[in-house]
Amino acid sequence: DSGVTQTPKHLITATGQRVTLRCSPRSGDLSVYWYQQSLDQGLQFLIQYYNGEERAKGNILERFSAQQFPDLHSELNLSSLELGDSALYFCASSTSGGNTEAFFGQGTRLTVV
Amino acid sequence: DAKTTQPPSMDCAEGRAANLPCNHSTISGNEYVYWYRQIHSQGPQYIIHGLKNNETNEMASLIITEDRKSSTLILPHATLRDTAVYYCIVRVGINTGNQFYFGTGTSLTVIP
Repeated sequence: DSGVTQTPKHLITATGQRVTLRCSPRSGDLSVYWYQQSLDQGLQFLIQYYNGEERAKGNILERFSAQQFPDLHSELNLSSLELGDSALYFCASSTSGGNTEAFFGQGTRLTVV
Repeated sequence: DAKTTQPPSMDCAEGRAANLPCNHSTISGNEYVYWYRQIHSQGPQYIIHGLKNNETNEMASLIITEDRKSSTLILPHATLRDTAVYYCIVRVGINTGNQFYFGTGTSLTVIP
């Protein structure tokens, strides 16, 4: 158990809909990262937050957005969903933005039908 | 954006050492090398990281060449549970977030 909690574990929704994925980082971790892993593909970095502020953006679509709340949990919002958005979404957390290891949650499997 | 090169797949006999190579010839002086693994579709698991000295923990050893252009992850006694995709990562963006950019990794199969 990494200490990073993601909910829900599974999500099935229809095209055009909007969903919210939630991540609770390890206690004390200030930095949260979001990744997308499509079927048989690698992990794509989406976005990072540090202590409530956006720190870095990767290959995140404009239909996607995220935020980190004062209690440090984070949410990834996916809207106008398309079939191609079906993927595993992972959240990771680390103590800081420096050279410390990050720990990953078990992911949310999103299926868009 | 991945800055590492790894063989796509490797086999290792159970009980033997698994040596996974990684090339990172463009690494900068202050960039660390990290290793993670992913078993099936589980969340990536942290293994080890280092800057220039060799590192060892309860899971593995990391050997970094003197010029830092390559490294090797060593699993001393591979078990069937070590079958996974192993990712070598050079962490980028020291001042902009230190994101982990995952490449395609090495799929390690431990054979009974």
